[in-house]
Amino acid sequence: GAGVSQSPRYKVAKRGQDVALRCDPISGHVSLFWYQQALGQGPEFLTYFQNEAQLDKSGLPSDRFFAERPEGSVSTLKIQRTQQEDSAVYLCASSGRTYYNSPLHFGNGTRLTVT
Amino acid sequence: KNEVEQSPQNLTAQEGEFITINCSYSVGISALHWLQQHPGGGIVSLFMLSSGKKKHGRLIATINIQEKHSSLHITASHPRDSAVYICAVRSEDTDKLIFGTGTRLQVFP
Repeated sequence: GAGVSQSPRYKVAKRGQDVALRCDPISGHVSLFWYQQALGQGPEFLTYFQNEAQLDKSGLPSDRFFAERPEGSVSTLKIQRTQQEDSAVYLCASSGRTYYNSPLHFGNGTRLTVT
Repeated sequence: KNEVEQSPQNLTAQEGEFITINCSYSVGISALHWLQQHPGGGIVSLFMLSSGKKKHGRLIATINIQEKHSSLHITASHPRDSAVYICAVRSEDTDKLIFGTGTRLQVFP
């Protein structure tokens, strides 16, 4: 399809495991964002890429969280040594050109449950 | 106090009713987004506003920059409009999107 694709759709991890979440943005979209959405809350910013450059990672909650977009297209959000408070839906969004005046296109998210 | 506040938090309506969801923000912005999130997590961008008013089908979004307020209106509401509606602003200082916690709308037939 032509939309933003995220995988897996659901992930259950035992506390302490590492997880990797994938985002395939719309082809050609320059900007890519990761957000974390806890149950009943609005999305919270994690990190932002423009092409392969990670311009802002101020929202990553700890050094256990790492994101990359090595070729400026697909992005991976990695969480090391998962903890229960990491349980949330992780949303990816992309937009064309700079996002300042471009609408965002969201993926369906990955629901992570840490047991 | 959240930088982006929405009201009401929950809203129920009968099919056909006119609906208004409000968003107030306390930071300087360069754009405001209205988003729709259906159960299951998918988010759809409805509008991006920097001034004035936009209309798309039965949806109308307005923004008053001086008052730091935006409204989303749905005319002739339908059960398929049931979703969470989220207001998000792009901070002119940080360029980040700041999200409200959303308004859960349920429209009954």
